[in-house]
Amino acid sequence: DTGVSQDPRHKITKRGQNVTFRCDPISEHNRLYWYRQTLGQGPEFLTYFQNEAQLEKSRLLSDRFSAERPKGSFSTLEIQRTEQGDSAMYLCASSPGGASGFFGPGTRLTVL
Amino acid sequence: AQKVTQAQTEISVVEKEDVTLDCVYETRDTTYYLFWYKQPPSGELVFLIRRNSFDEQNEISGRYSWNFQKSTSSFNFTITASQVVDSAVYFCALSEPSPNSGYALNFGKGTSLLVTP
Repeated sequence: DTGVSQDPRHKITKRGQNVTFRCDPISEHNRLYWYRQTLGQGPEFLTYFQNEAQLEKSRLLSDRFSAERPKGSFSTLEIQRTEQGDSAMYLCASSPGGASGFFGPGTRLTVL
Repeated sequence: AQKVTQAQTEISVVEKEDVTLDCVYETRDTTYYLFWYKQPPSGELVFLIRRNSFDEQNEISGRYSWNFQKSTSSFNFTITASQVVDSAVYFCALSEPSPNSGYALNFGKGTSLLVTP
């Protein structure tokens, strides 16, 4: 499968715990995006990487959130001290440049 | 302010009916891109189409067609002879290229389409 992959697909955690999600973009795609989708809403932009550089962070990305993309390949999104409001689908997308949007299957986070 | 407006929250049609999903966008850029995605109950976003701001030609792909009108800032999506498998949430999205956010997408709130037999 050469599409965008995300792991895990589902995560249930207790409030206050830390969680980390991984996104593997399509090979050689230098642009990578993270989005968050809450119930009944469209996806909202969180952050953008061009190669290993994180260029933009949405105001939705509080201090408890951190994202990395070491070596410009896969990316991780970590949420520290999770809150119930963090429950959402976290989506990753990659592109080779230009306007395109190849999305992964998402990680559904439930915070109890 | 919402940059992409999908005024129809839910639409219900009977199989074989035609249905149009509306999308109105707002931008000051001259170069931008418009997208439609389908999100079935499984949750995965399925890419349907991308249009750039310089190409106003309507497009048809099987039972799907898109009407892009810059004069009204609309990018509407029509499904002809709808089928039960078309039931999903459909999202319209706008991309305004920038050095810092690349081609990040700004999504509407989606239209939930239910096609009944």
